Amino acid sequence: DAGVIQSPRHEVTEMGQEVTLRCKPISGHDYLFWYRQTMMRGLELLIYFNNNVPIDDSGMPEDRFSAKMPNASFSTLKIQPSEPRDSAVYFCASSFWGAAQETQYFGPGTRLLVL
Amino acid sequence: DAKTTQPPSMDCAEGRAANLPCNHSTISGNEYVYWYRQIHSQGPQYIIHGLKNNETNEMASLIITEDRKSSTLILPHATLRDTAVYYCIVRVVSSGSARQLTFGSGTQLTVLP
Repeated sequence: DAGVIQSPRHEVTEMGQEVTLRCKPISGHDYLFWYRQTMMRGLELLIYFNNNVPIDDSGMPEDRFSAKMPNASFSTLKIQPSEPRDSAVYFCASSFWGAAQETQYFGPGTRLLVL
Repeated sequence: DAKTTQPPSMDCAEGRAANLPCNHSTISGNEYVYWYRQIHSQGPQYIIHGLKNNETNEMASLIITEDRKSSTLILPHATLRDTAVYYCIVRVVSSGSARQLTFGSGTQLTVLP
């Protein structure tokens, strides 16, 4: 398996623009997580899905952020409009309940810079 | 989930064992100890986890004290590629549910040539 795939790997955009981050989880995994990492706040969970259904979105910072999982093999995290404080590395992770007590496998991340 | 305390940084000579400590004095009986690491510019990587018994896999060993209030991750023969931030995470694992990983600040391990 190729592991968790994220695209784009790098994104530079201007304030006010819409940004869409994409994630393909490991095939067969039923949980998908979106994390954000900054120097100030470290790694923090934004939202996670189980069987394509959002379970906990309490970490989503505000209404500018939205996430969808239309099917088991694809998820998006959208920021509209983007702001400079959204600059961070965004990680997607997936896991399968029942295998090694929910070991999460992380993607390589998307480095977002909002100017 | 229980709070963990780790030293902010450690050095280790290449080829020697790296012993990374973690305190989790408020751990509950149903909470597991997980270790992840994050090599610079990469996503976090699972290393090992355990409940009460010592565990070993191809990457590392996990030693949990009898009272479960602390643990040590052991990399038996550290290499330069083991330089990373190591996170100790304590969390409940419930049947039929998944919970997020709560990352602290971790320990920056630097393996020196």
